Amino acid sequence: NAGVTQTPKFRVLKTGQSMTLLCAQDMNHEYMYWYRQDPGMGLRLIHYSVGEGTTAKGEVPDGYNVSRLKKQNFLLGLESAAPSQTSVYFCASRPPGLADISYEQYFGPGTRLTVT
Amino acid sequence: AQTVTQSQPEMSVQEAETVTLSCTYDTSESNYYLFWYKQPPSRQMILVIRQEAYKQQNATENRFSVNFQKAAKSFSLKISDSQLGDTAMYFCAFMKHRGGGADGLTFGKGTHLIIQP
Repeated sequence: NAGVTQTPKFRVLKTGQSMTLLCAQDMNHEYMYWYRQDPGMGLRLIHYSVGEGTTAKGEVPDGYNVSRLKKQNFLLGLESAAPSQTSVYFCASRPPGLADISYEQYFGPGTRLTVT
Repeated sequence: AQTVTQSQPEMSVQEAETVTLSCTYDTSESNYYLFWYKQPPSRQMILVIRQEAYKQQNATENRFSVNFQKAAKSFSLKISDSQLGDTAMYFCAFMKHRGGGADGLTFGKGTHLIIQP
């Protein structure tokens, strides 16, 4: 049981390049999330998904796109990377509902992205 | 929208001392959940403790306890008998009950806690 995994762990991009970050979870969770963490800031929600084929915008969605074609995977895309997108990206997942501890979010290890 | 404020960017205490980290939040929601997460240098986000707003009793987990004051919108974390392994960033986070909390967590900016030997 690997939990939540993220690929890659590190990446350096040049301004204008594109890339996709992959999040995978093996816990059969319905809900998945992408957050970014900048120095001196907490995590901020980029996009989220409440099920296969559905996505929604979070607090800071501009410059990112997402897709949830399979329940276990949540992809975050940068079409034209900018230095302002230099950050650490975290994926998280959780089951639906609020029963007992089911609402705990499980986080991946993060991806450090640098855009030069 | 809700906001979470952690007013202590950094704190430093001696090993075995007790330390309290502050968190205040602002929301119009009547029911919600509050969390403290620990982020050590490994970067992994680790859930320390959770509190359901409808529960009056303060949550405790071993050396970690909270002081939840709903009227004051305050949610502080107390770490007793602090250990070197407690050195980390600590984030306070909020989740709505409405909608099953599907739209994720709102985090504070964090407090960097340093435990000195």
